[in-house]
Amino acid sequence: GESVGLHLPTLSVQEGDNSIINCAYSNSASDYFIWYKQESGKGPQFIIDIRSNMDKRQGQRVTVLLNKTVKHLSLQIAATQPGDSAVYFCAEITLLTGGGNKLTFGTGTQLKVEL
Amino acid sequence: GAGVSQSPSNKVTEKGKDVELRCDPISGHTALYWYRQSLGQGLEFLIYFQGNSAPDKSGLPSDRFSAERTGGSVSTLTIQRTQQEDSAVYLCASSPYEGGAKNIQYFGAGTRLSVL
Repeated sequence: GESVGLHLPTLSVQEGDNSIINCAYSNSASDYFIWYKQESGKGPQFIIDIRSNMDKRQGQRVTVLLNKTVKHLSLQIAATQPGDSAVYFCAEITLLTGGGNKLTFGTGTQLKVEL
Repeated sequence: GAGVSQSPSNKVTEKGKDVELRCDPISGHTALYWYRQSLGQGLEFLIYFQGNSAPDKSGLPSDRFSAERTGGSVSTLTIQRTQQEDSAVYLCASSPYEGGAKNIQYFGAGTRLSVL
């Protein structure tokens, strides 16, 4: 079946360094992707999104890159801070009956920021 | 403004009992979603509401699971005759139905359900 998955389950970085979290997806028809951050005991929090007609989008300290040729997404976090420690999920959107959007999540990458 | 609110935050129940989980979405958000997050399964979609109707229930794992939404706002997810495999964090999300932000779902903190 279709799936969205992550290459690395755990990523450890030094405070101040840049982080890169990767994600592979299998549904070539997907046209919208989102990155979420989930801290312990909390629900997923929206970080940034990208449409399939784009290959790069920047936010505050974050950049998402999309390579449709190899069906790969990455999330880059600049100058990683201790508050960035969390599990990061990529998700693709598929349309639901009635016009809603179903999020299909990958298994997540745990980002650990070391002081 | 207030975000998505879920209650209870934790629920411990005995196998075979029924449970009700509550979600209060962001005011004005007409779309509401329930997801389940369990070890080994990640986050999986359960059901989608548009207003008070549920046009997509495709993710509900069995007929023991049901959900309703009243007044276009609060939703309850009911699990009957709970089983140990129902233990998970149940997450609710809401979003505007139209406009540029419709693709972004805002999540509550979830209800952690433990079935003994």
